[in-house]
Amino acid sequence: DGGITQSPKYLFRKEGQNVTLSCEQNLNHDAMYWYRQDPGQGLRLIYYSQIVNDFQKGDIAEGYSVSREKKESFPLTVTSAQKNPTAFYLCASSLSSGDYYEQYFGPGTRLTVT
Amino acid sequence: KNQVEQSPQSLIILEGKNCTLQCNYTVSPFSNLRWYKQDTGRGPVSLTIMTFSENTKSNGRYTATLDADTKQSSLHITASQLSDSASYICVVSGGYNKLIFGAGTRLAVHP
Repeated sequence: DGGITQSPKYLFRKEGQNVTLSCEQNLNHDAMYWYRQDPGQGLRLIYYSQIVNDFQKGDIAEGYSVSREKKESFPLTVTSAQKNPTAFYLCASSLSSGDYYEQYFGPGTRLTVT
Repeated sequence: KNQVEQSPQSLIILEGKNCTLQCNYTVSPFSNLRWYKQDTGRGPVSLTIMTFSENTKSNGRYTATLDADTKQSSLHITASQLSDSASYICVVSGGYNKLIFGAGTRLAVHP
């Protein structure tokens, strides 16, 4: 069963704690992305990776960190420095990072920080 | 400023009826325009991708149009079904692997 998996679906944390969101793909895609979705707003890019061991900041990288040690995995850490971490987080992947490549999205993780 | 604006914000229609969703963009440079369907609490799923030279593309009951001169796109849904209830997101690729997302139109199809 090919695709992108994100876990967990729901995550609850106390303010001040770091939390790591998982994203795995078995599509053999080179590029992977993390987006944040807030009500009434379009998706915003947090980080992206075009290849293993390489990643770039997106539009809203502050308070987040990522790693890309394996092609299949692109975990996102939400640190205590992120001012408003409660949101719906979406991971995506594409065959390559060119403009025309389709991005396939995972099911998302809803993070609630209190 | 690169922007993608969608209208209406929300829409309610009866099952079996047609509807059209609008997308206006001010993204430059322009590479391609995509429409995604997002069910509540799920990730978006691609419906169509259109380049500058394409002005119509269909995917089953979904037909997207693109007018690159006026920077407008529309998504027409024919013979709506209850399963069409979702948010529809317009996304413009501005080159350099940069996607600009609209806020979406929330469609509710009622029996």
